[in-house]
Amino acid sequence: QVQLQESGPGLVQPSETLSLTCTVSGGSITNYYWSWVRQPPGKGLEWIGYISHSGNTNYNPSLESRVTFSLDASKNQFSLKLTSVTAADTAVYYCARDVQQYDSSGYYLLQYFDYWGQGTLVTVSS
Amino acid sequence: EIVMTQFPATLSVSPGERATLSCRASQRISGNLAWYQQKPGRPPRLLLYGASTRATDIPGRFSGSGSGTEFTLTISSLQSEDFAVYYCQYYDNWPARRTFGQGTKVEIK
Repeated sequence: QVQLQESGPGLVQPSETLSLTCTVSGGSITNYYWSWVRQPPGKGLEWIGYISHSGNTNYNPSLESRVTFSLDASKNQFSLKLTSVTAADTAVYYCARDVQQYDSSGYYLLQYFDYWGQGTLVTVSS
Repeated sequence: EIVMTQFPATLSVSPGERATLSCRASQRISGNLAWYQQKPGRPPRLLLYGASTRATDIPGRFSGSGSGTEFTLTISSLQSEDFAVYYCQYYDNWPARRTFGQGTKVEIK
């Protein structure tokens, strides 16, 4: 059973950098994409971006200028850094396994998040 | 940019009744749509992908349909554990984006 666990500071000062790590257990980090998703208190889900097992990244354009992902396959971990944070970045941050596979016809590429971490609340406040 | 709109925002249903949730895309999309269930304090749980394929261990009362711009999640007979918020999510191949709808809350009537 694949399990994901987020870790990192729960409180970050405004204008500082938010750093989180997701540790994957019960399976290898290779051959998959890995995403970060966040959810402000009482609001909906926002995809932040993904990193592939080979280190390729793709970010939500709304956050692209401030976000950086990295991956350490030897530790089965991937990480998120978000710079210049404000109160608007206060949210529960989830890491998730991002599956991309072709459907039975072999024509359409399907994508979904099948395993999620429990989430970690990060509050931006002085 | 494709925008996913879910409606209604809140759906009040009695246990045992059928619930129909909608997700509309701002332009025609492929069937690459997933549905998730989220309960308070918990991460989202994958229900369906490819618009209609149930994920592992998802009960048969959950079904999905749709094409083009209109997609539907149906819960045939609501159980107490089904009261939650449901999100649709679309994957765009180029540029590679993932977009969530704003969610539909299914509450007890």
